[in-house]
Amino acid sequence: IQMTQSPSSLSASVGDRVTITCQASQDITNSLSWYQQKPGKAPKLLMYDASNLETGVPSRFSGSASGTDFTFTISSLRPEDVATYYCQQYDTLPLTFGGGTKVEIK
Amino acid sequence: QVQLVESGGSVVQPGRSLRLSCAASGITISSSAMHWVRQAPGKGLEWVAVISHDGTNKNYGDSVKGRFTISRDNSKNTLFLQMNSLGTEDTAVYYCARDARGYSRGWTYYYYYMDIWGKGTTVAVSS
Repeated sequence: IQMTQSPSSLSASVGDRVTITCQASQDITNSLSWYQQKPGKAPKLLMYDASNLETGVPSRFSGSASGTDFTFTISSLRPEDVATYYCQQYDTLPLTFGGGTKVEIK
Repeated sequence: QVQLVESGGSVVQPGRSLRLSCAASGITISSSAMHWVRQAPGKGLEWVAVISHDGTNKNYGDSVKGRFTISRDNSKNTLFLQMNSLGTEDTAVYYCARDARGYSRGWTYYYYYMDIWGKGTTVAVSS
């Protein structure tokens, strides 16, 4: 299953609403997670089952699904959110990741 | 403190072999499926392999199938990745990660997302 993530990068101001999308090449029944990776660090799980927030993750992060289209949103961008974000499907092996979205501060 | 610590990464010549280890502390991994995920320099994440909690089910990404072998020693709370016939395309940071809820029902195995990650170990394949 191919995961097409967009945009590949974005620049936004502190306080802006940021949206990242991920499109699956076939139905994955909401079996989608989102990760945050800061430079030189391991990925960190943010969300699972498309819209469930992992324990301890700030509520400014959210996710939604519509068919094979998935959206990840940061409601109010903060400086510590600078990172690359990845989606991952777990409906079918092999597990696959989106190409990543690099989020920077304008 | 819950952590996964990878080791074994190094610089190796093409065609050679390498064995990575992932030691868990603060958690017992014997009830969890475990994954290896890699990241080539400047690139995105690539899933490599998964092993069921009891080691009886293993699955691999197409790019490593037939060359890499995932295994585990639950008595030592440790995961392994044996990498053979290494090529320059295998140069990457290798992460081990715990499957958040993987389970088996009869002979069917289900794998999900990764909730605990190690910091990674670097493998560089170069002549």
